[in-house]
Amino acid sequence: QSALTQPASVSGSPGQSITISCTGTSNDVGAYDYVSWYQHHPGEAPKLLIFAVTRRPSGISARFSGSKSGNTASLTISGLQPEDEADYYCCSYAGDVTFVLGSGSKVSVL
Amino acid sequence: EVQLLESGGTVVRPGGSLRLSCEASGFKFDDYAMSWVRQAPGKGLEWVSHINWSGGLQRYVDSVRGRFTISRDNARNTLYLQMDNLGDEDTAFYFCAMKGVDNAFDMWGQGTLVTVSS
Repeated sequence: QSALTQPASVSGSPGQSITISCTGTSNDVGAYDYVSWYQHHPGEAPKLLIFAVTRRPSGISARFSGSKSGNTASLTISGLQPEDEADYYCCSYAGDVTFVLGSGSKVSVL
Repeated sequence: EVQLLESGGTVVRPGGSLRLSCEASGFKFDDYAMSWVRQAPGKGLEWVSHINWSGGLQRYVDSVRGRFTISRDNARNTLYLQMDNLGDEDTAFYFCAMKGVDNAFDMWGQGTLVTVSS
């Protein structure tokens, strides 16, 4: 039940694209297509951005996209905007109705 | 409006107990499995516990198994987390989250703060 590995920080200029990686193991990320991503502004409720690796909930901007290869999932934010400054977490189903979250990545818009 | 509202967080002594509540509104509570997730100061989110729609299945992260008990009262639309033998490492914001399709957490509360301190 070790946390999935994410870069501690990722930054970009407005309008640029950034990618956040999320590395797990063959027991979680690599085993299931149940990777989700969350945006968290401190003091607020986390918000679901991506589920089932690539799918976006209704109302989530198409600037957010997800992918997965092997044991690593990724979140790409295109057309970076100031309001995208937040903490981002990946989450994977880990079998037997358990879950594991990522270590978190702080996104800064320069 | 779908809403989750946590309560019960406070300062508690090491070795003490506390029960957190999460009141749900705006959706059919007993259609959904629920989880508790926590965030220690300066740390990331950590999944803590999960319960299915009926309450008949519970799961825990290793660090709380045997000390925490998740439960729910579907008649009251409320999720609970009973926390016993609390230690410093349990100091955190505790969030409840609703599990939707494809094992994602569709909706979260804003959290309640538990501080374990002597």
